[in-house]
Amino acid sequence: AQKVTQAQTEISVVEKEDVTLDCVYETRDTTYYLFWYKQPPSGELVFLIRRNSFDEQNEISGRYSWNFQKSTSSFNFTITASQVVDSAVYFCALSDNRDNDMRFGAGTRLTVKP
Amino acid sequence: NAGVTQTPKFQVLKTGQSMTLQCAQDMNHEYMSWYRQDPGMGLRLIHYSVGAGITDQGEVPNGYNVSRSTTEDFPLRLLSAAPSQTSVYFCASSSTGGWDIQYFGAGTRLSVL
Repeated sequence: AQKVTQAQTEISVVEKEDVTLDCVYETRDTTYYLFWYKQPPSGELVFLIRRNSFDEQNEISGRYSWNFQKSTSSFNFTITASQVVDSAVYFCALSDNRDNDMRFGAGTRLTVKP
Repeated sequence: NAGVTQTPKFQVLKTGQSMTLQCAQDMNHEYMSWYRQDPGMGLRLIHYSVGAGITDQGEVPNGYNVSRSTTEDFPLRLLSAAPSQTSVYFCASSSTGGWDIQYFGAGTRLSVL
């Protein structure tokens, strides 16, 4: 069965610090997709990234970067030089071709203090 | 440029009442789904649909019904509300399936007293 674990329930940093959000997943399948979504205080869910299981290249988008390691079943998310606007709940999610659903982790609440 | 529209935004029900949460998308997406979000548990899939006339159960389907008569609409029905259904409900859609990027509505906050 699919499972996503985000062990960090809450993280608090001061602006301009770097922060890494951890995500560990479990799946039986060789083909699967990993996602990160952001939920700001306003409540909507915003897509950040999608990565398939055959692409282990790290991704960088501005201050955001993602480290996908199949050997450790992890898909970690790093924010460089954090800003107050990064304060949100971040969800990691997993989907495979078998069940046509998406499993979310419990989320990590990030607070960036000025 | 509406995307996924959910109504209502807030609702308070008494135990045993019924109601329908509405969801509509204007992106011509085949796949639509309903999630509930509870503190400390992330989002859990209730039901999903891969096209008009086709629905299936997700992780937590009990107490909820769905139907999909058109590509655009995917309503979620609570037949007899229970306090355990107090939650925030999100509707989502994607072009192809559960493995695709999901576009979410703004959510419906439901309280069952």
